[in-house]
Amino acid sequence: GQQVMQIPQYQHVQEGEDFTTYCNSSTTLSNIQWYKQRPGGHPVFLIQLVKSGEVKKQKRLTFQFGEAKKNSSLHITATQTTDVGTYFCAGRGSGGSNYKLTFGKGTLLTVNP
Amino acid sequence: DAGVIQSPRHEVTEMGQEVTLRCKPISGHDYLFWYRQTMMRGLELLIYFNNNVPIDDSGMPEDRFSAKMPNASFSTLKIQPSEPRDSAVYFCASSSPVTGNTGELFFGEGSRLTVL
Repeated sequence: GQQVMQIPQYQHVQEGEDFTTYCNSSTTLSNIQWYKQRPGGHPVFLIQLVKSGEVKKQKRLTFQFGEAKKNSSLHITATQTTDVGTYFCAGRGSGGSNYKLTFGKGTLLTVNP
Repeated sequence: DAGVIQSPRHEVTEMGQEVTLRCKPISGHDYLFWYRQTMMRGLELLIYFNNNVPIDDSGMPEDRFSAKMPNASFSTLKIQPSEPRDSAVYFCASSSPVTGNTGELFFGEGSRLTVL
């Protein structure tokens, strides 16, 4: 079945440093979504990427979807303490009527003020 | 809208007991998902429904787990009998694709289950 791998598992940074998490799928994806889960909370949708090579920005967050639609990354510039949480990528398989969303294991980001 | 509503928020039970988790999706959403989250395995999809019909239950661990969606506004996940390894946070999420194969998931607050 479809697998979505995400690295690193943990990342600790000093406030102001940059952060990147990477996501790789075993199969080609129709789209990929990113979610953020604060400690003790539930996953909250950040963004969806659909097109090959797509790049989207949300303030200090930059999301990329690979040309082959099998990998993606999230980059945060100049981290802040409010960025603390676990970032998940979630991929949806291509073809057919598959609506299943498979999550990576997430990257836990901690920020030292 | 109140969002996805799950109950109970916390449940502590003893091994062998039956556990029922409940979910009310966002009105108008035609997809409903049950996920289980643990430190070791992350977020695992257990089952999802479309228009109240189970579409993919390949993630349901074993026969002790069952899920139903009797109508568009209610779903249950039942574990009988429960075991300590079932301890996890169970999330319900709903979605409504706008076009084609899209649609973000809206998660509930989760039900934290502890089986002693």
